[in-house]
Amino acid sequence: GQQLNQSPQSMFIQEGEDVSMNCTSSSIFNTWLWYKQDPGEGPVLLIALYKAGELTSNGRLTAQFGITRKDSFLNISASIPSDVGIYFCAGLGMLQGGSEKLVFGKGMKLTVNP
Amino acid sequence: GAVVSQHPSRVICKSGTSVKIECRSLDFQATTMFWYRQFPKKSLMLMATSNEGSKATYEQGVEKDKFLINHASLTLSTLTVTSAHPEDSSFYICSARRSSRNIQYFGAGTRLSVL
Repeated sequence: GQQLNQSPQSMFIQEGEDVSMNCTSSSIFNTWLWYKQDPGEGPVLLIALYKAGELTSNGRLTAQFGITRKDSFLNISASIPSDVGIYFCAGLGMLQGGSEKLVFGKGMKLTVNP
Repeated sequence: GAVVSQHPSRVICKSGTSVKIECRSLDFQATTMFWYRQFPKKSLMLMATSNEGSKATYEQGVEKDKFLINHASLTLSTLTVTSAHPEDSSFYICSARRSSRNIQYFGAGTRLSVL
């Protein structure tokens, strides 16, 4: 199925460092969502973006909806060990055939060394 | 707290048996719920879209007779894996769409192991 291009695929950082990840697509999306998934759990919503150019923060997390509506980035500042996990971007838009579905990136695995 | 409840979290069953997984939206009504399957170290793969009061819409390659979906109320959707086989072993995750905010919330997932 259709997927977003999410990068990087993995990152190893030291506690306290900032980290950035982004997603791009050839398609326009109406909503961008960022999720975090811990092992053996379902994805948990971090940030939702609704408007092109929108910049939204949630604690140490900041995300932006690209002006072209084809990309988004997520920044985590001052990382802590519990930030470890897999981060997924997801775009919600009208796909071919008229259905509106959530399209996921492949995920970015974050490792934080204490 | 969780807004979508998924149960059970883990199932171990014998080959040939059927397994039912429940997905409930806790504080909102969801006309649309989704069922995903996730393989190790992979992203979520949409299996089907569950519509309250109507038939589910299955993605290409997903057997509707194998994965029965029922969305009988605005807060509950069930996925039944019929005549499960070892290749059906996987992590199944449901989600519910909160229409007012155009957001999908996910359940905690069900780990199915078929022996």
